[in-house]
Amino acid sequence: QVQLQESGPGLVKPSETLSLTCTVSGGSISSNYWSWIRQPPGKGLEWIGYIYFSGNTNYNPSLKGRVTISVGTSKNQFSLRLSSVTAADTAVYFCARERRTVTAPGFYYYYLDVWGRGTTVTVSS
Amino acid sequence: DIQMTQSPSSLSASVGDRVTITCRASESISISLNWYQQKSGKAPQLLIYAASSLQSGVPSRFSGSGSGTDFTLTIDSLQPEDFATYYCQQSHNTPRTFGLGTKVEVK
Repeated sequence: QVQLQESGPGLVKPSETLSLTCTVSGGSISSNYWSWIRQPPGKGLEWIGYIYFSGNTNYNPSLKGRVTISVGTSKNQFSLRLSSVTAADTAVYFCARERRTVTAPGFYYYYLDVWGRGTTVTVSS
Repeated sequence: DIQMTQSPSSLSASVGDRVTITCRASESISISLNWYQQKSGKAPQLLIYAASSLQSGVPSRFSGSGSGTDFTLTIDSLQPEDFATYYCQQSHNTPRTFGLGTKVEVK
């Protein structure tokens, strides 16, 4: 059974770079898409982006080029870096697996089926 | 970006009630619609994917329907453990987007 666990600093200073790692256990990172999602206090969910195990990435344009997601296959981990953070980046950050189901040739459906517990990151001086 | 509009934003219900939550996409997303349940302080959990497919291990009282732009999550016979916030999410394209959530509270 695949499990995910986020790790990283809980406090980041404004203008600095937030760095988080997600460790995948019980399965291989060498398939599926690996995602980051965040949730500001008291608010809804925001998709940050994902990486395919091959290294292809897709990011939310709302984050204006501040995001980098990378994979370290040797350690079954993937990481998030968010630069130039402000108080608006304070949130619970979740990593998740995005799985693909094929129902018929050419018909693919994607969903987040395994989530980490989340880690709280506060941006404050 | 595809905007996802959920309604209502909150509702009050009793154990045993049938609950219906709707989600509307700003453009057609076929059946690329997922539903998640989130309890306070916990990560979201997948309930329904591809609009109507029940995720393994999820009770059969949860069901989903719809296609195109209009979708529904139904909970038959609400149980005490179902009081939570529910989110829809489109996976038709990127960026993936979520609805703002529907909080199901005790009446």
